[in-house]
Amino acid sequence: EAQVTQNPRYLITVTGKKLTVTCSQNMNHEYMSWYRQDPGLGLRQIYYSMNVEVTDKGDVPEGYKVSRKEKRNFPLILESPSPNQTSLYFCASRGQGRGEAFFGQGTRLTVV
Amino acid sequence: SQQGEEDPQALSIQEGENATMNCSYKTSINNLQWYRQNSGRGLVHLILIRSNEREKHSGRLRVTLDTSKKSSSLLITASRAADTASYFCATDRGSTLGRLYFGRGTQLTVWP
Repeated sequence: EAQVTQNPRYLITVTGKKLTVTCSQNMNHEYMSWYRQDPGLGLRQIYYSMNVEVTDKGDVPEGYKVSRKEKRNFPLILESPSPNQTSLYFCASRGQGRGEAFFGQGTRLTVV
Repeated sequence: SQQGEEDPQALSIQEGENATMNCSYKTSINNLQWYRQNSGRGLVHLILIRSNEREKHSGRLRVTLDTSKKSSSLLITASRAADTASYFCATDRGSTLGRLYFGRGTQLTVWP
């Protein structure tokens, strides 16, 4: 089954404690991206990757890091989380054919 | 930057009625897509319409695209309570490979 898997689904952490949200896809897609969703603001792109070792900033990259060492994985790293990064995060992947994007189930992050 | 803007922000109708949501965008596109999101869950792709298409159907969904007005509409006919969700349009500009630009969404509520 084609899917994008994010982990964890829920995470509560404290300010400044580094964390990683993992994302994996099984469709051999070239393109992967991270979004955050906040009430009234829709989906805002954090980072995206067009292929292995190729990443670029989206619209709200501050405070986040990503890496793309393998095609299937695209982890999101928060080196020093702050309360304003409390949000619902989604990973998505998309193939080269400009078709639909596939989304993960989401990670609800709370930073206290 | 967000490309699409959905209108209205919220829509409330009775079961059996039709629901129409609109999306406007600012730049030329390769294709436009509509997604659905149940509360707090990942987005699910509904339908894609290419820039050279004017109308597309899928079950109870009808999408139109007017590239001269840079707008699209999503019509859900004979709505059901299970259609209650947020609906997002996303544009593929064609310039940045793989990237989709999402609007802020329309929250549809269908009352039994």
